[in-house]
Amino acid sequence: GAGVSQSPSNKVTEKGKDVELRCDPISGHTALYWYRQSLGQGLEFLIYFQGNSAPDKSGLPSDRFSAERTGGSVSTLTIQRTQQEDSAVYLCASSQDQGASNEQFFGPGTRLTVL
Amino acid sequence: GENVEQHPSTLSVQEGDSAVIKCTYSDSASNYFPWYKQELGKRPQLIIDIRSNVGEKKDQRIAVTLNKTAKHFSLHITETQPEDSAVYFCAASRGNSGYSTLTFGKGTMLLVSP
Repeated sequence: GAGVSQSPSNKVTEKGKDVELRCDPISGHTALYWYRQSLGQGLEFLIYFQGNSAPDKSGLPSDRFSAERTGGSVSTLTIQRTQQEDSAVYLCASSQDQGASNEQFFGPGTRLTVL
Repeated sequence: GENVEQHPSTLSVQEGDSAVIKCTYSDSASNYFPWYKQELGKRPQLIIDIRSNVGEKKDQRIAVTLNKTAKHFSLHITETQPEDSAVYFCAASRGNSGYSTLTFGKGTMLLVSP
């Protein structure tokens, strides 16, 4: 079956612009996660969805970052007024059930470059 | 919150040698410890995981050990092959204890030379 997909695969934007990143999880997966991976760095947790609600958004680095999930499926991560330090690969993952002891399946990521 | 430290940051071995990557965690309530492998330009994929009710788990050439008292766990790869070259991430979580998320280490770049 289809895995986790993300779009766009690459996004180049100018400083100060808003961007939207999309994640399509595996069908039936109720949990969805967003991570940020900077060059040579680990996986920085951003936000977790269970269904359409976000019980843990503690990793969002500032109020310029927001995310939503609709219909228990597609999620959108929005970054407003982008800054150069936002440049990174943004990864989405989904898992079958709540909690974090189920395997997380990752998407291919969106590489964001802020000029 | 949870803090996961991972060492070394890079590891170079010759093909056929063993490789060991170590992680420590801070939250004594953590009970689920997965390892992910990320090949260059690809997405992370789960390779093995261990839960706190066991001390060791093996899957062919890879094994993970867990010491809950010392709060550390390790990944062991035997008879390394060039295709094992990748970045490996350890992680920890409280598993199904309510809403819980994975905290990842910063990764280890493993290079296996033929």
